[in-house]
Amino acid sequence: DVKVTQSSRYLVKRTGEKVFLECVQDMDHENMFWYRQDPGLGLRLIYFSYDVKMKEKGDIPEGYSVSREKKERFSLILESASTNQTSMYLCAIQTLYQETQYFGPGTRLLVL
Amino acid sequence: GDSVTQMEGPVTLSEEAFLTINCTYTATGYPSLFWYVQYPGEGLQLLLKATKADDKGSNKGFEATYRKETTSFHLEKGSVQVSDSAVYFCALMSGDSGNTPLVFGKGTRLSVIA
Repeated sequence: DVKVTQSSRYLVKRTGEKVFLECVQDMDHENMFWYRQDPGLGLRLIYFSYDVKMKEKGDIPEGYSVSREKKERFSLILESASTNQTSMYLCAIQTLYQETQYFGPGTRLLVL
Repeated sequence: GDSVTQMEGPVTLSEEAFLTINCTYTATGYPSLFWYVQYPGEGLQLLLKATKADDKGSNKGFEATYRKETTSFHLEKGSVQVSDSAVYFCALMSGDSGNTPLVFGKGTRLSVIA
């Protein structure tokens, strides 16, 4: 079974804090994705990566950055958290040229 | 750009009722189409998919047929169970390589009552 691990299930941070969300996979999947999920808006793509040290902006990259120093780990960074970044964050992985994405359990982030 | 439109919820059904969740899409070329399901407290998981016109995806009693003429991929199940209560997302992937991000609909919450 494909396993996607996200570092925290629940996180509470203060406005202005730097926040790291980590996603780790246990297989050799090339593609990794960060989405945020909000009621009434569905899933929106923040950033994705096709390989180590590569990154592509998704639909809503503003206020976020990412890091992929190793193939198995893809980090989402909120440089200065704001209340409008309160959301559920989902990581997904995908093997190159395969269509199915596998999702982690999500991190519910609350920014106060 | 590519987009997916699915019926808004929430949808509430009694056990053993028939389910339809409508999904239509806009895309260039011939996208692959997916239904993902999210059970409470979990991430998304693939429910079924179809990669070309007239293909039928099926899993766990759910079915959806890729209709190119109506650009639709409606999800159906003949007899829902309480355990089917979840949020359902329709999605597409365009391009030939299978190496492009998914585009999701906004999700439809289904509640099945005993």
